[in-house]
Amino acid sequence: GESVGLHLPTLSVQEGDNSIINCAYSNSASDYFIWYKQESGKGPQFIIDIRSNMDKRQGQRVTVLLNKTVKHLSLQIAATQPGDSAVYFCAESFFSNDYKLSFGAGTTVTVRA
Amino acid sequence: DVKVTQSSRYLVKRTGEKVFLECVQDMDHENMFWYRQDPGLGLRLIYFSYDVKMKEKGDIPEGYSVSREKKERFSLILESASTNQTSMYLCASSLAGIMNTEAFFGQGTRLTVV
Repeated sequence: GESVGLHLPTLSVQEGDNSIINCAYSNSASDYFIWYKQESGKGPQFIIDIRSNMDKRQGQRVTVLLNKTVKHLSLQIAATQPGDSAVYFCAESFFSNDYKLSFGAGTTVTVRA
Repeated sequence: DVKVTQSSRYLVKRTGEKVFLECVQDMDHENMFWYRQDPGLGLRLIYFSYDVKMKEKGDIPEGYSVSREKKERFSLILESASTNQTSMYLCASSLAGIMNTEAFFGQGTRLTVV
């Protein structure tokens, strides 16, 4: 079946720099996307979401970009902090799939001091 | 503050045992989910439920069953645990509706089958 995937399994970022985490999806019917952050020993926590009628959405220090033409999703974190070290997952769903979220494999972000 | 609570953080069980993983949510959500998380594979959906006594198979239901007798509680059952079921298990819940919404996760149960 179709799946959500992340481009890179790991990302090392200097504290204070901006981070960009990428995600490719293959289901053109997907209309809802979420980014989750999972810290060590915890369950995934919601960061930001975006619907397919948008191409950009901003939160506090985070921005999600959606390019439906190439089926690409990215999460940008501004001024990366040590507390941003975690595994980041993108997830997708679409209207007719009973609200199930399909997850990518995750990107582990490590922030260097 | 919304909360999804899984009954155990860590479990060690023997091969062949029947294992129950419990999950409770206090948000009155209709939808509940069980995922397993393995390195390099992300989160894979085992079962989900969109109402009391309703259940649907996810992507990897083999070797598992579920029970939803009350809206707030969703149980995952390993009928006869095997070593390849050693994993992190995550429960989640979400609102039902015409628009998809975020899922809220519990802290996870790390199950080791020996």
